[in-house]
Amino acid sequence: DADVTQTPRNRITKTGKRIMLECSQTKGHDRMYWYRQDPGLGLRLIYYSFDVKDINKGEISDGYSVSRQAQAKFSLSLESAIPNQTALYFCATSRDGQYDTQYFGPGTRLTVL
Amino acid sequence: RKEVEQDPGPFNVPEGATVAFNCTYSNSASQSFFWYRQDCRKEPKLLMSVYSSGNEDGRFTAQLNRASQYISLLIRDSKLSDSATYLCVVKNRGSTLGRLYFGRGTQLTVWP
Repeated sequence: DADVTQTPRNRITKTGKRIMLECSQTKGHDRMYWYRQDPGLGLRLIYYSFDVKDINKGEISDGYSVSRQAQAKFSLSLESAIPNQTALYFCATSRDGQYDTQYFGPGTRLTVL
Repeated sequence: RKEVEQDPGPFNVPEGATVAFNCTYSNSASQSFFWYRQDCRKEPKLLMSVYSSGNEDGRFTAQLNRASQYISLLIRDSKLSDSATYLCVVKNRGSTLGRLYFGRGTQLTVWP
């Protein structure tokens, strides 16, 4: 089984709809992250959480919210989806050592019509 | 200025070729460095960490020059399976400890 899972893997929705993307991990990591990836722009950080009680905004948090329900779960919500939120969304986890890097989920491809 | 800058490529090389990617970072306090590989429409995966003394993993060699704030990745004897996008990644100190900064990636295509 994958260590970091994301649901759904693909989603098509309409402008104005509320969408939730979910991420779960079995790696036992405290830190979790949400990124979006757009062609030519690379990965951009939306939100990150260093533990259940710690939530931080990333570079592009406007239009998004998150919930850290447990150490293993970190959800991303689009309260009112708009077309420019069409992107590939990745969840990632990490420990907190100097050389600890991040492990990514398989991604959610979101299309907002 | 972006935290991490990479030449986007694309690099198109024949099998067996040697290819090098470069990356610069803007924050002199950057703490750790990595190369990730990303296949089309897939998640990024760690290729290798980059240590101060440079390090090698099979056909892959990573170098770090802190004075010039420069990181490189050398791939020898390229294989078709090396075709992917390579992401340069930097980790900083300070209040955002643990946060990674990603370059936009360098696209590599290895042809037969």
